[in-house]
Amino acid sequence: AQSVAQPEDQVNVAEGNPLTVKCTYSVSGNPYLFWYVQYPNRGLQFLLKYITGDNLVKGSYGFEAEFNKSQTSFHLKKPSALVSDSALYFCAVSRAKERDDKIIFGKGTRLHILP
Amino acid sequence: KAGVTQTPRYLIKTRGQQVTLSCSPISGHRSVSWYQQTPGQGLQFLFEYFSETQRNKGNFPGRFSGRQFSNSRSEMNVSTLELGDSALYLCASSFGQGYGNTIYFGEGSWLTVV
Repeated sequence: AQSVAQPEDQVNVAEGNPLTVKCTYSVSGNPYLFWYVQYPNRGLQFLLKYITGDNLVKGSYGFEAEFNKSQTSFHLKKPSALVSDSALYFCAVSRAKERDDKIIFGKGTRLHILP
Repeated sequence: KAGVTQTPRYLIKTRGQQVTLSCSPISGHRSVSWYQQTPGQGLQFLFEYFSETQRNKGNFPGRFSGRQFSNSRSEMNVSTLELGDSALYLCASSFGQGYGNTIYFGEGSWLTVV
């Protein structure tokens, strides 16, 4: 069965600094990987996903993520953090080439951008 | 294009009662998934429906059930509510099933059991 871990419950970053939100996964075969963001009292919004190809994936709001197969990681990054980036971030994984496979989410990392 | 719509947004129920939550997917999407979100457990997968058939089920008791209609709209039902069922219930839809299809979430239904 696949699983995903977000080792940090909370990450604090000063505005203007680069940010990284970590994600590691475990899956048999190749993964499909996703990042979602949740603002207070809202549903999850899709940020980006890795399916195949270039290991660096660019997404919404200036976010990007790097797929590292050897380290089974898919860390979310942004060069310069904004206060408005403060939210709850979820990493998710499903198995490639599996139609009947559900998407499994990590427990989430709360990102605080300090003004 | 309208997003995923969930109703009701907020509801309060008494222990022992039952509740039905509704989800209208994005137009053209045929797959609907349901998740339970709680502060302690994070996002837990409940079930997924595609073309009116349940394709996947999470590890929840039989009190949790769902269905999908021919127009892809979905409902989930929780019977004999317990205090621990208080959570945000999220519905998500996608065009297809699996294969890296992106799922898009609704705003959720906040259920409080008292």
